[in-house]
Amino acid sequence: QVQLVQSGSELKKPGASVKISCKASGYTFSSYAMNWVRQAPGQGLEWMGWINTNTGDPKYAQAFTGRFVFSWDKSLTTAYLEITTLKADDTAVYYCARDPSRLDVWGQGTTVTVSS
Amino acid sequence: QSVLTQPPSASGTPGQRVTISCSGSASNIGTNVVNWYQQLPGSAPRLLMYNNNQRPSGVPDRFSGSKSGTSASLAISGLQSEDEADYYCAAWDDRPNGPVFGGGTKLTVL
Repeated sequence: QVQLVQSGSELKKPGASVKISCKASGYTFSSYAMNWVRQAPGQGLEWMGWINTNTGDPKYAQAFTGRFVFSWDKSLTTAYLEITTLKADDTAVYYCARDPSRLDVWGQGTTVTVSS
Repeated sequence: QSVLTQPPSASGTPGQRVTISCSGSASNIGTNVVNWYQQLPGSAPRLLMYNNNQRPSGVPDRFSGSKSGTSASLAISGLQSEDEADYYCAAWDDRPNGPVFGGGTKLTVL
C-alpha cells in the first residue's frame, strides 16, 4: 500500500543541525512532489514547501528560506528535510506529505525537540 | 495567523449534525478547490475530503463538503465519539503558490 515512513524523534541542542528522512513506497516516487509540513506544539499545520521528486528542484514557503533544505534520493525513494542552526522555536512535529495539490498521503511525523 | 479562518472549536452530541466553516479569499478558496483533513489525537493528519466534496476511499458518507464563493464547510452527520478530532481546511493559494491551511477546529463530542 501507499505509505510514507519517517525517521524517528530527534533531540538536539540549539545551533546543531538535524536531517529527517521520509521513505516512500507503494507508488512511483517521481510522479508526485513531496511536501513538508510543520506543526508546532499545540498549533496548527504550516506548509513549508516541496521538492520535485523528478528533478530535485525545491520550493520553499517564505517563512522557510535559509535554514531549511529539501533534498531527495530517487534511487532510495526517500525525501529529506535538513534544518541547520536549530533554534528552540524549531521544536515541532515535521510531516512529509505527498502531492501539494491534495496532500493525500502523510508520514507519521517526526518530533524534533531543540533544548539545551 | 492562518490564511484561512476556521472557528477554534465545535461540539455536538452523538447522532447530531455539525458543520465547520472555513473562510478564505479570492486567491485561495475563491479560485481553487478546498481539501479537509482530520487529525485524531496523537496522530498524523489524514485527507478527509478533496476537491470540495469528494471523499477518499474509506471515509464514511457521514462526512460531506461544500464550497461557495470564498467559503467552504465540512458537515458531519450522525456524529460519533470517534469523530472527536482536529479538522483543518486547506486550499491552494496563488500568492505563495502552495497550499494554505486554516487554524484548525477542535471538535468535541459531548
